[in-house]
Amino acid sequence: GAVVSQHPSRVICKSGTSVKIECRSLDFQATTMFWYRQFPKQSLMLMATSNEGSKATYEQGVEKDKFLINHASLTLSTLTVTSAHPEDSSFYICSACGESYNEQFFGPGTRLTVL
Amino acid sequence: AQKITQTQPGMFVQEKEAVTLDCTYDTSDQSYGLFWYKQPSSGEMIFLIYQGSYDEQNATEGRYSLNFQKARKSANLVISASQLGDSAMYFCAMREGYSGGGADGLTFGKGTHLIIQP
Repeated sequence: GAVVSQHPSRVICKSGTSVKIECRSLDFQATTMFWYRQFPKQSLMLMATSNEGSKATYEQGVEKDKFLINHASLTLSTLTVTSAHPEDSSFYICSACGESYNEQFFGPGTRLTVL
Repeated sequence: AQKITQTQPGMFVQEKEAVTLDCTYDTSDQSYGLFWYKQPSSGEMIFLIYQGSYDEQNATEGRYSLNFQKARKSANLVISASQLGDSAMYFCAMREGYSGGGADGLTFGKGTHLIIQP
């Protein structure tokens, strides 16, 4: 199957700093990528849809100014958590669509801890 | 109303037994897709199986099969001959009809924590 990578896998930062998470499709081009967030012992919640070359679409309740998404190429989407606070501590996972919209390949996730 | 309902928060199953994980869904779309993912403690989401709403036959992938009951709006995952390595969280997810010609993200259920006992 297709491979999606995320970097970094873990990050610890101080409150008020910004953190950038990268999501890459390694062996295929992904026009669309998705960003999810998962709090401990909870399910995945879709945050936003990232489309190459256009603005991201955010789900209701997700602050677009806080979670900046850039999809500058067909293999890379980035999520920047701006002015992070402890309540932003979570597991962030991206996924990328393959040739068919029925295929969604997930990255390994990034665990963010904000002190 | 929840779009994906998984009613079993946790399950204990004896090794080598078959196990069924329940999933019901709610959508008014005619075209949709149903997914099952496995999430071990490492956190990665491992794709197991997919069923499209127009697929007439139940999907199968090795030891995994999906019992698709469209009229009941259920998509249960069946794991045959369970193994210790099957212990993990299992999530049912749905992709609803396309919007604006683009892909849609998945809506996930709350998951079932499956523990296989030796």
